[in-house]
Amino acid sequence: NAGVTQTPKFQVLKTGQSMTLQCAQDMNHEYMSWYRQDPGMGLRLIHYSVGAGITDQGEVPNGYNVSRSTTEDFPLRLLSAAPSQTSVYFCASSLGTSEQYFGPGTRLTVT
Amino acid sequence: GEDVEQSLFLSVREGDSSVINCTYTDSSSTYLYWYKQEPGAGLQLLTYIFSNMDMKQDQRLTVLLNKKDKHLSLRIADTQTGDSAIYFCAERTSGYSTLTFGKGTMLLVSP
Repeated sequence: NAGVTQTPKFQVLKTGQSMTLQCAQDMNHEYMSWYRQDPGMGLRLIHYSVGAGITDQGEVPNGYNVSRSTTEDFPLRLLSAAPSQTSVYFCASSLGTSEQYFGPGTRLTVT
Repeated sequence: GEDVEQSLFLSVREGDSSVINCTYTDSSSTYLYWYKQEPGAGLQLLTYIFSNMDMKQDQRLTVLLNKKDKHLSLRIADTQTGDSAIYFCAERTSGYSTLTFGKGTMLLVSP
């Protein structure tokens, strides 16, 4: 199993551009989540999904969209990037309420 | 609301024991986790404890849970320079698949 994979690893965007951060898992996990990590802030939940077709907002959802059309994939879309979205983004998955597995992260810079 | 607090920094000498502390506010927490993050890397699950346990030991790691005080600690015995990293405490509340993280404790181990 590859576990949780994220692409790209690094990305630089200009303000106003849009992009999609990809996340995929091959463990048949129901639950998937997106977190952002900022210095001194820990990890904060953006959006999560408890299964295909079901998504919900986390603590900091503004400026981000998600969809879950398959069990394996959970992309995060930035519709109009802002400098405040400069961060490291982590995707995680879990089977039920068991431990969460994290991807390696995507480092995003918005200029 | 949910809140997880950690001290921000701990410095120890190689060979000493390290104790990283965490407090949480949600009494319905079911699992409490310790994650390790090395520079530029993702989150690695170190250990976790179920809320009906007081202690869990795993090689050099000892987790103590005081439910009455909502206090969690991670003790690392014989700390090595390779243990230098940021350590995150996280809680999962009953019925939820997502985690609430503390801001992280940076552990610096000097030779």
